[in-house]
Amino acid sequence: GENVEQHPSTLSVQEGDSAVIKCTYSDSASNYFPWYKQELGKGPQLIIDIRSNVGEKKDQRIAVTLNKTAKHFSLHITETQPEDSAVYFCAAGGGYQKVTFGTGTKLQVIP
Amino acid sequence: GAVVSQHPSWVICKSGTSVKIECRSLDFQATTMFWYRQFPKQSLMLMATSNEGSKATYEQGVEKDKFLINHASLTLSTLTVTSAHPEDSSFYICSASPSGIGYEQYFGPGTRLTVT
Repeated sequence: GENVEQHPSTLSVQEGDSAVIKCTYSDSASNYFPWYKQELGKGPQLIIDIRSNVGEKKDQRIAVTLNKTAKHFSLHITETQPEDSAVYFCAAGGGYQKVTFGTGTKLQVIP
Repeated sequence: GAVVSQHPSWVICKSGTSVKIECRSLDFQATTMFWYRQFPKQSLMLMATSNEGSKATYEQGVEKDKFLINHASLTLSTLTVTSAHPEDSSFYICSASPSGIGYEQYFGPGTRLTVT
């Protein structure tokens, strides 16, 4: 099955700096790569996703890049704000609609 | 759009009793719903996938007789934890996938189950 690794597990940045979270996956058949933000005590919220026919996607301060050859994808958050503090999960999906989640990154934005 | 609700948001029950958790897609139809379990500071673990009108598909290691899933309509799925024990205490999260839109999933807010 699919295996998704995520780094780093924790990340602290100063407000206004950029944050980068990286994930690798194992199944070359995966073609859907979502990113989720989870605040304490809440369910994950889809913040951005990318499909395998696209190399990069941007939505305001958030961008995701995908390198299918290397089987890795990254989340980039620019101009970080305190409200960006949360746990971020990457995931990879292929057949049967289900996705496999990474282990999560706890992002702390220091004011 | 794409709002998923869960009820209850938290529940405390005694060991040996059963607990039902509801998951509803409020503004879209969900052919497929997923149930996850999450331990503190850990990732989401998929328990089962359910398609409306069909039996749920359970992941390896998940006891189907203990975690009963019913996907009765395109907007409602339920998870019943039967004969709950303290080790079943966890955060249970459902997600729903809009019909015909591939793998996109929208998550509910989760249900905190504590078994005493």
